[in-house]
Amino acid sequence: DAGVIQSPRHEVTEMGQEVTLRCKPISGHDYLFWYRQTMMRGLELLIYFNNNVPIDDSGMPEDRFSAKMPNASFSTLKIQPSEPRDSAVYFCASSNSGRDGYTFGSGTRLTVV
Amino acid sequence: DQQVKQNSPSLSVQEGRISILNCDYTNSMFDYFLWYKKYPAEGPTFLISISSIKDKNEDGRFTVFLNKSAKHLSLHIVPSQPGDSAVYFCAASGHNDMRFGAGTRLTVKP
Repeated sequence: DAGVIQSPRHEVTEMGQEVTLRCKPISGHDYLFWYRQTMMRGLELLIYFNNNVPIDDSGMPEDRFSAKMPNASFSTLKIQPSEPRDSAVYFCASSNSGRDGYTFGSGTRLTVV
Repeated sequence: DQQVKQNSPSLSVQEGRISILNCDYTNSMFDYFLWYKKYPAEGPTFLISISSIKDKNEDGRFTVFLNKSAKHLSLHIVPSQPGDSAVYFCAASGHNDMRFGAGTRLTVKP
């Protein structure tokens, strides 16, 4: 297995534009998590899915953020409109359980100018 | 509201000496704790974990200690090696998700 695959690796966009981050979890994992890493707050949990269903989205900062998981092999995190303060590294992780065995992707570094 | 806190953003130690990374948590519902290691341009990778029914777990050079009454855990690395230089994240789990601290950047000098 190639692990958790995230795309793009880097994204630079202008303020106000829509940004879509993509994630392919490990086959067979039924939990998928989106995290954001910033210097001040470390790794923040944004949202997680179990069997493609969103379970907890309380970490999503604002209505500008949305996430979907249309099937077991694909998830997206969308920011519309993007703002400079959204600049961070966004990680996707998948797991067989919610408590252990997380495998993280390599992350998407987002820069909003 | 950060439920998992790593108050030291950085730590520098000499090769061969002990590295001690600390972590505090606030939520008494957490019952499973983990440490992840992260190299630049990579995602975090699992290092070691401990259940709340234990107070110590050891894996080679890495030992995690848990003090439930103080809501504190620590990671000991001995002896430290230059390849251990990375960002270390403390994580805690109570249900079906995991909360992370802000990370501590460890630098091991040759």
